[in-house]
Amino acid sequence: SQQGEEDPQALSIQEGENATMNCSYKTSINNLQWYRQNSGRGLVHLILIRSNEREKHSGRLRVTLDTSKKSSSLLITASRAADTASYFCATAGGLFGNEKLTFGTGTRLTIIP
Amino acid sequence: DAGVIQSPRHEVTEMGQEVTLRCKPISGHNSLFWYRQTMMRGLELLIYFNNNVPIDDSGMPEDRFSAKMPNASFSTLKIQPSEPRDSAVYFCASSSLDRDGNTIYFGEGSWLTVV
Repeated sequence: SQQGEEDPQALSIQEGENATMNCSYKTSINNLQWYRQNSGRGLVHLILIRSNEREKHSGRLRVTLDTSKKSSSLLITASRAADTASYFCATAGGLFGNEKLTFGTGTRLTIIP
Repeated sequence: DAGVIQSPRHEVTEMGQEVTLRCKPISGHNSLFWYRQTMMRGLELLIYFNNNVPIDDSGMPEDRFSAKMPNASFSTLKIQPSEPRDSAVYFCASSSLDRDGNTIYFGEGSWLTVV
């Protein structure tokens, strides 16, 4: 079963705008990660945030984590056409510690040039 | 580094045939994962190995599916007999635990169509 649920399922924005995607999960976690998947390709790791962190930045990416609400958000600033992809959150924790990642349902992001 | 290598990239087979998917993880990684992705069910973890030992196979859908990891550089996922509902993209991924946790590196996937 899937741990995370991304919201929205699909998002279309103009190039240059910011894109925000949300992820909710159900059980306690050790860390939360975001991955990107281009059409027809494998998933690529973007960023990891630990359960004791609230915010993390990497280039144009900003991730927040609210463990009290069991939610995370991914913000992509100044979007580009190349950001068009599906974005997944993944959580680690519980019985299998950091080893086993459970992925959410994904947000399909389309950047309109 | 070559990354995770999967073969075949695409396979079309008839129902009832045996399908074998292959994976070479990144050298030095001690965990290997098999995922399946479909439109209906999203990305599902089928099984994962740690140091070549199966740790959690609770995601394997049924006895028709089996996975092996005879050594640190090779794994197979076998479906016998295959059925049309097995059509999906099968991803192999590998990782090595560090202090931050478990960043997973995916292969490009094996696209399976069972007709």
